[in-house]
Amino acid sequence: EIVLTQSPGTLSLSPGERVTLSCRASQDVKSDYLAWYQHKPGQAPRLLIYSVSRRANGISDRFSGSGSGTAFTFSINSLEPEDFAVYYCHQYATSPYTFGQGTTLDIK
Amino acid sequence: DVELVESGGGLVQPGGSLTLSCATSGFAFTSFAMSWVRQAPGKGLEWVASIGFTAEDTHYADSVRGRFSISRGYLNTLYLRMDSLRADDTARYFCAKGARQTTLITFWGQGTLVAVSS
Repeated sequence: EIVLTQSPGTLSLSPGERVTLSCRASQDVKSDYLAWYQHKPGQAPRLLIYSVSRRANGISDRFSGSGSGTAFTFSINSLEPEDFAVYYCHQYATSPYTFGQGTTLDIK
Repeated sequence: DVELVESGGGLVQPGGSLTLSCATSGFAFTSFAMSWVRQAPGKGLEWVASIGFTAEDTHYADSVRGRFSISRGYLNTLYLRMDSLRADDTARYFCAKGARQTTLITFWGQGTLVAVSS
């Protein structure tokens, strides 16, 4: 099983700041099948990034992803109030598919 | 528009069984992989199971393999049969639509709550 470790666990930031989250995999994620989701309480999660760096339909270019192999990052430029949520990385390359434990973005 | 509506959640005793349903619409159901993902109270997302384009193309998390079964039914409905339920299966269960060529989850339902308790 590929274990995904996200860091940090929690970040407290202010609107307008830039943030970068990390996701490290215990093994290579084949075919760059690494995605990022945003999840707010009481809502369905939302796909933001797939294949490491491709934005899903309708997703702002403030969101970006990069990386390869076992090291991946996700960034948000100029945080908006609606960006404060939990973010998960997810590998869909190798079964059992797995999620990271999540990074919580709090408003400072 | 794509729509996924889960049902079938509820309170069940340890060792009991439950079948979750996911009514889908707005896309060619048999042309996309489908998955179930859960979130236990206060915890993160946990992938549970996925099904590809044939009934045999199924994948399970280690924590549910042998106890849960994912399947497609008539009228564009996805199912998750859950047997030998344990307290740590308590969670909100989300139905999720995949992509055409991969199990990438592109769209999620709102979820249904399952509570396992005596």
